[in-house]
Amino acid sequence: AQTVTQSQPEMSVQEAETVTLSCTYDTSESDYYLFWYKQPPSRQMILVIRQEAYKQQNATENRFSVNFQKAAKSFSLKISDSQLGDAAMYFCAYRGQAGTALIFGKGTTLSVSS
Amino acid sequence: SQTIHQWPATLVQPVGSPLSLECTVEGTSNPNLYWYRQAAGRGLQLLFYSVGIGQISSEVPQNLSASRPQDRQFILSSKKLLLSDSGFYLCAWSSGSHTDTQYFGPGTRLTVL
Repeated sequence: AQTVTQSQPEMSVQEAETVTLSCTYDTSESDYYLFWYKQPPSRQMILVIRQEAYKQQNATENRFSVNFQKAAKSFSLKISDSQLGDAAMYFCAYRGQAGTALIFGKGTTLSVSS
Repeated sequence: SQTIHQWPATLVQPVGSPLSLECTVEGTSNPNLYWYRQAAGRGLQLLFYSVGIGQISSEVPQNLSASRPQDRQFILSSKKLLLSDSGFYLCAWSSGSHTDTQYFGPGTRLTVL
């Protein structure tokens, strides 16, 4: 079975600085999809970024980028120029090619200080 | 653009009472629909998904059930709530492709006392 591990329960960053959140996963599949979701205090899950495993190029969305290392089964999220609004819990998620469910890690709580 | 709604936002129910949570999607047709539960301090777990009207698949055995009476409506129900049913319930949708991204609603916080 696939698993997703987020080894950092909590992280903190200063405004305007850069922070990297770690995620590793375990799978025997060759084709799959990886996601980072943000859950602010309102608790609605918001998609941050998506990566297809067959794409070598790392996905980027404005200040958010990923470092996808397929061989190492690593999928970290980098947040540049951190803002107060980035404070939230961040979840890494995996979905197989033929799968239905998103498999989530346990999340990393990010705090941003001014 | 597509939007997803859930209600109620918050619910407090006694043990043994029935439950009905509703999810509706606007701006798309034939979506795949999902119910997830997030227990306190834990990640999300898929409960049910549906690829069409009347088509429900259950991922986890429990005293909950789901129904899809209309194309863009997904309902989570229970006849008798348990204390362990407390949690945050999130509905999500994706396009007809099983590889598409899932987008989540605002969620319902359920407390069973």
